[in-house]
Amino acid sequence: EDQVTQSPEALRLQEGESSSLNCSYTVSGLRGLFWYRQDPGKGPEFLFTLYSAGEEKEKERLKATLTKKESFLHITAPKPEDSATYLCAVQWNGGYNKLIFGAGTRLAVHP
Amino acid sequence: EAQVTQNPRYLITVTGKKLTVTCSQNMNHEYMSWYRQDPGLGLRQIYYSMNVEVTDKGDVPEGYKVSRKEKRNFPLILESPSPNQTSLYFCASSSPIQGSEQYFGPGTRLTVT
Repeated sequence: EDQVTQSPEALRLQEGESSSLNCSYTVSGLRGLFWYRQDPGKGPEFLFTLYSAGEEKEKERLKATLTKKESFLHITAPKPEDSATYLCAVQWNGGYNKLIFGAGTRLAVHP
Repeated sequence: EAQVTQNPRYLITVTGKKLTVTCSQNMNHEYMSWYRQDPGLGLRQIYYSMNVEVTDKGDVPEGYKVSRKEKRNFPLILESPSPNQTSLYFCASSSPIQGSEQYFGPGTRLTVT
């Protein structure tokens, strides 16, 4: 069964304490892996798309990487405003535009 | 501004009273989709549409209907809502090119009593 698993479920960091979030997937024929940020009560906001193993993308304090079976979202020197739930989703060959989402990682960054 | 809008944002209703949640996008996207989000379960797809008059079931379609008569609009219909449909609902749209990101609406929080 196609599946996306994110870990940890929740993460508490001190401001400036770097860390990584993990997303592992079991779909075959990956077309794209997506990272979204979701603030409480709001819709997911697009961050990155990764298409092939070895690819990396960066935006401010966030860096996403992709291997054949997992992706990491690295957060460098986080600030309280980075607190949010981070969602990972995948598209695969034959799935058209369908996204399968992981359950998300709730990140809290404290001053 | 490119956006997906949903109405209403909040809705409390009673079991069995038909309701419609509207979704509209201004990006001329062919693909639109409805998701529900429940704690611990993540986002699950209810229905999707690849273009006008073309719709199909997602992973959790029971109890829902959709229609796509215009490219910009994709309403979600609950003919006879039940308490297990209490959830946070999101509409999304994207271009038909696989690998394109989906743009999400602000969400509709539905409570069925």
